[in-house]
Amino acid sequence: QVQLVQSGAEVKKPGSSVKVSCKASGGSFNKHEINWVRQAPGQGLEWMGGIIPIFGTPNYAQKFQGRVTITADKSTNTVYMELRSLRSEDTAVYYCARPSFDIWGQGTVVTVSS
Amino acid sequence: DIQLTQSPSFLSASVGDRVTITCRASQGIGSYLAWYQQKPGKAPKLLIYAASTLQSGVPSRFSGSGSGTEFTLTITSLQPEDFATYYCQQLNYYPLTFGQGTRLEIK
Repeated sequence: QVQLVQSGAEVKKPGSSVKVSCKASGGSFNKHEINWVRQAPGQGLEWMGGIIPIFGTPNYAQKFQGRVTITADKSTNTVYMELRSLRSEDTAVYYCARPSFDIWGQGTVVTVSS
Repeated sequence: DIQLTQSPSFLSASVGDRVTITCRASQGIGSYLAWYQQKPGKAPKLLIYAASTLQSGVPSRFSGSGSGTEFTLTITSLQPEDFATYYCQQLNYYPLTFGQGTRLEIK
């Protein structure tokens, strides 16, 4: 059974960075091919980027270019999403998902507050 | 970026009703469209992919149609567990984008 398990909630100061992990288990898919989607409180879904299956390299939404880095540790089937220069507007639930978006992680709440 | 516009943004309906949600894309995306259901505090759940293919385990009262720029999600005979927020997503172009959501509430 395929599962994506994310790291726990984080509280960060403005200007700092956060690194959220997503560990994949089960199934026979390339476990480093993961997307990241976030959802601010009361808002809709926003794709941030992901490791693209065809290329095996990260692709980022323009909005986050320069502030986000997605990396993969294939030895542990874990993908990381680091977001830098945090501001209050980055307060959100961050989800990881498979390329087919049929399996999602449980979400990680990131709160940015002084 | 491809803009997806869902209508309506809010829908009030009763158990047993048939409802339709529309998703319009700012340019053609073929059939690269998915629909999700999201309940409060939960991750989105995939309902439909490739515009009209029902995800395994999803009840047959859910159906999707359309191609190009106009798509619909139809739910026949609404059940109490169907009251949630629904999103469309295009997967034809990067960046991947979502509609703004349609909140379906009990009348």
